[in-house]
Amino acid sequence: GAVVSQHPSRVICKSGTSVKIECRSLDFQATTMFWYRQFPKQSLMLMATSNEGSKATYEQGVEKDKFLINHASLTLSTLTVTSAHPEDSSFYICSARIVYEQYFGPGTRLTVT
Amino acid sequence: AQSVAQPEDQVNVAEGNPLTVKCTYSVSGNPYLFWYVQYPNRGLQFLLKYITGDNLVKGSYGFEAEFNKSQTSFHLKKPSALVSDSALYFCAVRDMNNNAGNMLTFGGGTRLMVKP
Repeated sequence: GAVVSQHPSRVICKSGTSVKIECRSLDFQATTMFWYRQFPKQSLMLMATSNEGSKATYEQGVEKDKFLINHASLTLSTLTVTSAHPEDSSFYICSARIVYEQYFGPGTRLTVT
Repeated sequence: AQSVAQPEDQVNVAEGNPLTVKCTYSVSGNPYLFWYVQYPNRGLQFLLKYITGDNLVKGSYGFEAEFNKSQTSFHLKKPSALVSDSALYFCAVRDMNNNAGNMLTFGGGTRLMVKP
């Protein structure tokens, strides 16, 4: 099946700093990528939909200035958490879509101290 | 609006016994239905999907699911559970008649615990 990678898998940063998470589709081109956030023992919450070459579409309640998404190519989307705070600590998962199916990255565990 | 309900937070089953993880959905049009499995600190792995055709769908690792339109359900099943099946399972739906966003909506997840 299609493979989606995320980097880093785990990051710890200090409050007030910014963190960039990369999501790559390794063996296919994805016109649409999604970013999700997952709290412990909870389901995935869609944060935004990212289309290559255009601005991301953010879900209601997600601050676009805080969670910057860039989809510069058909194989790479990035999520930058700006001025991170402890409440931003979470598990972030990206996903890339091919036709009917979505393939998910392994996730990035962000801890803000 | 589309939604998915997984009524059980946790399902416990003994190894070797059949398992069922329940899922019901709501869409305005026709559904695309999916099951994913998540292991601790990992992303989601695709198990199976229903798009059209045969109501009984077979997927990875011996799992299958049955699409029931009248009951708007898509329960996940396996004839004989393994301890290694213990994980978090998510049902998801996309409305094939809704082109806006084409996004998946996930259920709350069901933790499957298989005991030896």
